[in-house]
Amino acid sequence: SAVISQKPSRDICQRGTSLTIQCQVDSQVTMMFWYRQQPGQSLTLIATANQGSEATYESGFVIDKFPISRPNLTFSTLTVSNMSPEDSSIYLCSAAWDRAYEQYFGPGTRLTVT
Amino acid sequence: GENVEQHPSTLSVQEGDSAVIKCTYSDSASNYFPWYKQELGKGPQLIIDIRSNVGEKKDQRIAVTLNKTAKHFSLHITETQPEDSAVYFCAASQTGANNLFFGTGTRLTVIP
Repeated sequence: SAVISQKPSRDICQRGTSLTIQCQVDSQVTMMFWYRQQPGQSLTLIATANQGSEATYESGFVIDKFPISRPNLTFSTLTVSNMSPEDSSIYLCSAAWDRAYEQYFGPGTRLTVT
Repeated sequence: GENVEQHPSTLSVQEGDSAVIKCTYSDSASNYFPWYKQELGKGPQLIIDIRSNVGEKKDQRIAVTLNKTAKHFSLHITETQPEDSAVYFCAASQTGANNLFFGTGTRLTVIP
């Protein structure tokens, strides 16, 4: 089975700053996604990372706050911009191969904003 | 959009007993139902899934059942072990769609 890794695994950041999270898959994938999991809560889809084009954002999430890149079929980044304490969450990337609905997750990035 | 409800939110069982987690969904067009296990500090791991053309699927100690008419599906874990302790999430989706709609999670504790 493929390995999905994320960097950093955790970080503590000051409000007003930005953090870029990397997601790397060890094989080419069809689709990549970014989720947010607030403390003790379920997972919410932020956006679908499209290779070579702009990401598709879900309601409530905007590109200025969460810019996403996907330069190739194995790598994507999510930036959390102008952070506030409300952005403290676990950010997860997921990947899908043949079927977009069959998603596999990375280990997550635990972000704390002070 | 789809709304997935999950019960119970916490569940404690004695080692060796069975555990059952139930989910209901609202969108009759949903036809793919995965279950994820999330251990502390890790990402969710896909442990079993079921499509709407079958009513039950088993994989060793884990089984999932689906009732399309009632729009609910359940995860059954038999002969529970301490390593089964984790948070379990159900989800619903449509084949051909990207979005997985997750339940609120069940924290399962298996007491040795």
